[in-house]
Amino acid sequence: GAVVSQHPSWVICKSGTSVKIECRSLDFQATTMFWYRQFPKQSLMLMATSNEGSKATYEQGVEKDKFLINHASLTLSTLTVTSAHPEDSSFYICSAPGRTWEQYFGPGTRLTVT
Amino acid sequence: GNSVTQMEGPVTLSEEAFLTINCTYTATGYPSLFWYVQYPGEGLQLLLKATKADDKGSNKGFEATYRKETTSFHLEKGSVQVSDSAVYFCALSADTGTASKLTFGTGTRLQVTL
Repeated sequence: GAVVSQHPSWVICKSGTSVKIECRSLDFQATTMFWYRQFPKQSLMLMATSNEGSKATYEQGVEKDKFLINHASLTLSTLTVTSAHPEDSSFYICSAPGRTWEQYFGPGTRLTVT
Repeated sequence: GNSVTQMEGPVTLSEEAFLTINCTYTATGYPSLFWYVQYPGEGLQLLLKATKADDKGSNKGFEATYRKETTSFHLEKGSVQVSDSAVYFCALSADTGTASKLTFGTGTRLQVTL
């Protein structure tokens, strides 16, 4: 089946710095990708929809200037957490839809901000 | 807005026991319903889906029936195995087409013991 990878799988950064997370569709093209955030023992919350060649669409309450999304190619979307703070510590997950109903999820990136 | 409610875990069962994980939803229109599974250290994988009322999704011995009258999509398996230990997410999509946003429940952790 289709595979989505994320890099890095785990990152620790200092407060005030920026962190970039990559999401790649390895064997298929994705004009759209989704970014989710998952808190411990909670559900996945959709943050934004990444669109290849155009601006991302952010969900209500998500700061677009803090969570920068770039969908530079048909196989790569990046999420940059700018000026990270401890409250940004979370598990970030991306997904990309296949040709049918199924969405393919990356393994996630755990961000810890100290 | 759309929402998904699923029973809190963790659920601990002995091998070969019967499993039910309850899921109810709120949505406008006629959503598609999904169960995703997340094994330790892996990304979410689609377990089964149903796209219209009275449809039954099934896979790997798991089943769920789309009940519009009770707005439910309960997950069942007649005899669980240790390898079924994972976190199970109920989700819905109210969009049409392949690039569909998902609304997730909080997830239910299943632990199966020998």
